[in-house]
Amino acid sequence: EAAVTQSPRNKVTVTGGNVTLSCRQTNSHNYMYWYRQDTGHGLRLIHYSYGAGNLQIGDVPDGYKATRTTQEDFFLLLELASPSQTSLYFCASSEFSNERLFFGHGTKLSVL
Amino acid sequence: QQKVQQSPESLIVPEGAMTSLNCTFSDSASQYFAWYRQHSGKAPKALMSIFSNGEKEEGRFTIHLNKASLHFSLHIRDSQPSDSALYLCAVSSNTGYQNFYFGKGTSLTVIP
Repeated sequence: EAAVTQSPRNKVTVTGGNVTLSCRQTNSHNYMYWYRQDTGHGLRLIHYSYGAGNLQIGDVPDGYKATRTTQEDFFLLLELASPSQTSLYFCASSEFSNERLFFGHGTKLSVL
Repeated sequence: QQKVQQSPESLIVPEGAMTSLNCTFSDSASQYFAWYRQHSGKAPKALMSIFSNGEKEEGRFTIHLNKASLHFSLHIRDSQPSDSALYLCAVSSNTGYQNFYFGKGTSLTVIP
């Protein structure tokens, strides 16, 4: 079973603060994704990547940057956090496109 | 943009019952269809997926796809209390834009 590890598990910050969410997968999957999950909206794609150095924009990218530094590591950056970014964030990976996603355990972010 | 809708929003069934969950999508060119299960406080986990019209059975779970009617479903035979969870359907289009569009979920409770 693919292993996707996110850190931190919980994060509280203030409006305007900087936040970095980390994700590491240990199965050499090509694709990595960042989703946010909100009541009433389900899971929505923020950014994704199909390899080190690659970055693709998802459906809700505003206010987020992402960087894929290695095959294993994918980071989500909030440079000026806003209360609307309070959410549960999931990282996921898949070996190829149109294949099952393996999710991390999530990061709960609160922006006060 | 792909629209994915699930019904019902919530469902309560007795142990041993047959449970049916529904998902409709808007893009007839969709290629990949999947169900994920998310227990409370946990990460979504892939249950089953299908690429072509028809049925696929794995244990107590059956997925049925009808692309012409833009509909697919998940059926759980002999529902167990451990099946209580949020069920998410996901649809992926082969447009060169790698995204799985998720429904908002059906919350299933199986009563002993």
